[in-house]
Amino acid sequence: KQEVTQIPAALSVPEGENLVLNCSFTDSAIYNLQWFRQDPGKGLTSLLLIQSSQREQTSGRLNASLDKSSGRSTLYIAASQPGDSATYLCAVQGNMLTFGGGTRLMVKP
Amino acid sequence: GAGVSQSPSNKVTEKGKDVELRCDPISGHTALYWYRQSLGQGLEFLIYFQGNSAPDKSGLPSDRFSAERTGGSVSTLTIQRTQQEDSAVYLCASSLAPGQGAEAFFGQGTRLTVV
Repeated sequence: KQEVTQIPAALSVPEGENLVLNCSFTDSAIYNLQWFRQDPGKGLTSLLLIQSSQREQTSGRLNASLDKSSGRSTLYIAASQPGDSATYLCAVQGNMLTFGGGTRLMVKP
Repeated sequence: GAGVSQSPSNKVTEKGKDVELRCDPISGHTALYWYRQSLGQGLEFLIYFQGNSAPDKSGLPSDRFSAERTGGSVSTLTIQRTQQEDSAVYLCASSLAPGQGAEAFFGQGTRLTVV
């Protein structure tokens, strides 16, 4: 059974810092890994999708990497802003979509 | 449709009543997922439909919960004899069949409050 773990569970940083969120998974037989953002009381917004054949994906200040063999992904956020404050979730897709517990990020002005 | 649509967006019901939650996935998406999220908690998997295959019901918390997907499109999650612990946001997601590039998209959820 696939298990997905996200570390840290919560993170608080001053505005402008670069930061890394971590995601690990136990079964490397995956098709894709997806990073989502969730604002309080809202649904999930897809940020980046990395296919298993890819090593990384970039969108603006976000960069996600995937090392399938070691079961790890990182989400790098450059020059963090208060508007980045949210919960970030990773999900791996094998035969179904399995989520980690999320990292709650607070960026202080 | 342009995105995953869920209705109603909010539902308040009395303990013991039955409720139905609806999810309208993106057209052409064969995979459909239901999750539950209690206040301040992570996502709890409920049920997964993929094409014409038998659904994966392994996450349903009790036999009061059931779901169906008609014609491979719209899905309805039914909760019978609701309890206060059923209060949560119910989220639906859809994607193409599992495979490379099958990005999942979520609806805005249904907030269920059992009083």
